[in-house]
Amino acid sequence: DTGVSQDPRHKITKRGQNVTFRCDPISEHNRLYWYRQTLGQGPEFLTYFQNEAQLEKSRLLSDRFSAERPKGSFSTLEIQRTEQGDSAMYLCASSLGATTYNEQFFGPGTRLTVL
Amino acid sequence: GESVGLHLPTLSVQEGDNSIINCAYSNSASDYFIWYKQESGKGPQFIIDIRSNMDKRQGQRVTVLLNKTVKHLSLQIAATQPGDSAVYFCAENGQIGTSYGKLTFGQGTILTVHP
Repeated sequence: DTGVSQDPRHKITKRGQNVTFRCDPISEHNRLYWYRQTLGQGPEFLTYFQNEAQLEKSRLLSDRFSAERPKGSFSTLEIQRTEQGDSAMYLCASSLGATTYNEQFFGPGTRLTVL
Repeated sequence: GESVGLHLPTLSVQEGDNSIINCAYSNSASDYFIWYKQESGKGPQFIIDIRSNMDKRQGQRVTVLLNKTVKHLSLQIAATQPGDSAVYFCAENGQIGTSYGKLTFGQGTILTVHP
């Protein structure tokens, strides 16, 4: 499968615990995006990388959230001290390009449930 | 409140009918407009896009219309099939003269196709 992959697909955790999600983009894509989607809503932008550089972060990305893309390939999204409000689908997308529009391809998402 | 977000617009059609899904966008400076299809438990899937300097674009069984005067976007699906049943989201990308990073999604529409 040459699409965007995410791991795990589902995560159930207790409030206060830390969780980490992984995203593997399409291999030649230099841009990688993280979005969050709650029930009945469209995805909301969190952050994106161009190669290793994190170029933009949403105000939704509180201090408890951190994202990395150390080698410009896969990315991780960590949530520290999870809260029930963090329960959502976390989507990763990737695209080619630097300064122009290119289609973003989405992965299947990681569904987080915080008890 | 939270309950408002759960009440997505719905469209119910018979197999073989044409479907029209509408979207009002907010940013008159956006350069690209995109339609995504999202099936239950999956990430959004690209359908078609249109640039702000166009008013119509056709794909296979789909047509996107853009009316910049009233900031309205529509997706027409010809000969709708049961496999078209999903939630459809419009999204905006890029402001002319800036980097094309995040997508901003609109409210989704639930399409149900009856055999």
